[in-house]
Amino acid sequence: KNQVEQSPQSLIILEGKNCTLQCNYTVSPFSNLRWYKQDTGRGPVSLTIMTFSENTKSNGRYTATLDADTKQSSLHITASQLSDSASYICVVSAPNAGNMLTFGGGTRLMVKP
Amino acid sequence: DTEVTQTPKHLVMGMTNKKSLKCEQHMGHRAMYWYKQKAKKPPELMFVYSYEKLSINESVPSRFSPECPNSSLLNLHLHALQPEDSALYLCASSPPGGESSYNEQFFGPGTRLTVL
Repeated sequence: KNQVEQSPQSLIILEGKNCTLQCNYTVSPFSNLRWYKQDTGRGPVSLTIMTFSENTKSNGRYTATLDADTKQSSLHITASQLSDSASYICVVSAPNAGNMLTFGGGTRLMVKP
Repeated sequence: DTEVTQTPKHLVMGMTNKKSLKCEQHMGHRAMYWYKQKAKKPPELMFVYSYEKLSINESVPSRFSPECPNSSLLNLHLHALQPEDSALYLCASSPPGGESSYNEQFFGPGTRLTVL
């Protein structure tokens, strides 16, 4: 069964600090891996999307990395802001599943002043 | 217009009520999705429409009835729901393309449903 595991489940950091969220997946082969940010009670918003041939992709203070050999991805947040408090979800899609997505359980990040 | 809109934002209904959730996009996307998301859990796929035809039903109870009147609209009709159906209902859409394409799903803000 295709799975996407994220760690940690939750994280508290101080404003201005950096943090790294982890994602391990067993989906194989896979088309692409996405990181979404979801504020409480809102829909997920895409941060980055990478195919298997891409190693890193940045979006402002967010940088995602991908190691297709080890099936691991990370999302690094630089100089965190209070507005970064949200759930971050790693999502993988497989070429044999059309547009179907496999969601990770998410990491709930809280940034404190 | 580059977003998926959903109405209403919040809905409270009794177990005997009939209500509908609405989703709209004007990005020319030809695949539309309904997800259910419980608190602190990832979204769970319910239905997929591709080119206005139901292509996937993830064994969803019949008290949830999807409808795709046209390529821009997706409805979810609700009838005789249970309190455990209370959740955030998300709509998403994605552009047309093949299975290996770089497709991305764009999510709406969701409807927060409470069943009393």
